Amino acid sequence: QSVLTQPPSASGTPGQRVTISCSGSSSNIGGNTVNWYQQLPGTAPKLLIYSDNQRPSGVPDRFSGSKSGTSASLAISGLQSEGEADYYCAAWDDSLNGWVFGGGTKLTVL
Amino acid sequence: EVQLVESGGGLVQPGRSLRLSCTASGFTFGDYAMTWVRQAPGKGLEWVGFTRSRAYGGTTQYAASVKGRFTISRDNSKSIAYLQMNSLKTEDTAVYYCTRVKGSALIAAGWFDPWGQGTLVTVSS
Repeated sequence: QSVLTQPPSASGTPGQRVTISCSGSSSNIGGNTVNWYQQLPGTAPKLLIYSDNQRPSGVPDRFSGSKSGTSASLAISGLQSEGEADYYCAAWDDSLNGWVFGGGTKLTVL
Repeated sequence: EVQLVESGGGLVQPGRSLRLSCTASGFTFGDYAMTWVRQAPGKGLEWVGFTRSRAYGGTTQYAASVKGRFTISRDNSKSIAYLQMNSLKTEDTAVYYCTRVKGSALIAAGWFDPWGQGTLVTVSS
């Protein structure tokens, strides 16, 4: 059972906008920044969003992050088939003194 | 180009030890905290532990699941981070990734970028 809670799956059609949620507590999301990672099939994870809502260079602006209280969200607009991947949220946990991940959300493009 | 390459994975019997290496290039290794993350087959990501940068003495912290069994160290002169795994259990079977921690001096505000390709550790008799 992961400390951060994500839906196990999400789906959408090409061009659609989808949102993936990440729920935590005051010891992690509520007090620290959230990062998102994308893992394409058979590859290593890659940084997608950092510090709640910042995009690294090279990440399309179709990807955006937000945070409110103890929850965070990743939004993907203009869904493309290349976006089929697993998405993980992560944050530092002050009680556990380390990073915690969500269980991951498998995004399917229908 | 910033690059991380893990090595040292393989098949090991329960109770035995294994040491993984993470060789870095393309950046000043000693200036960054380095962390290990693992992924069991078909499962999600799990943070294992990290070593702080040279400025913070390379001190380490670990997840509860590996504390007392795993040790992270670093050789800044060679740009290598190590993960020494002792008393291995079948549940330690996973792909182990090495990542660099970027961000502010406050470790809690950091993020992982880039990631290595991973090395598979299989613990089985």
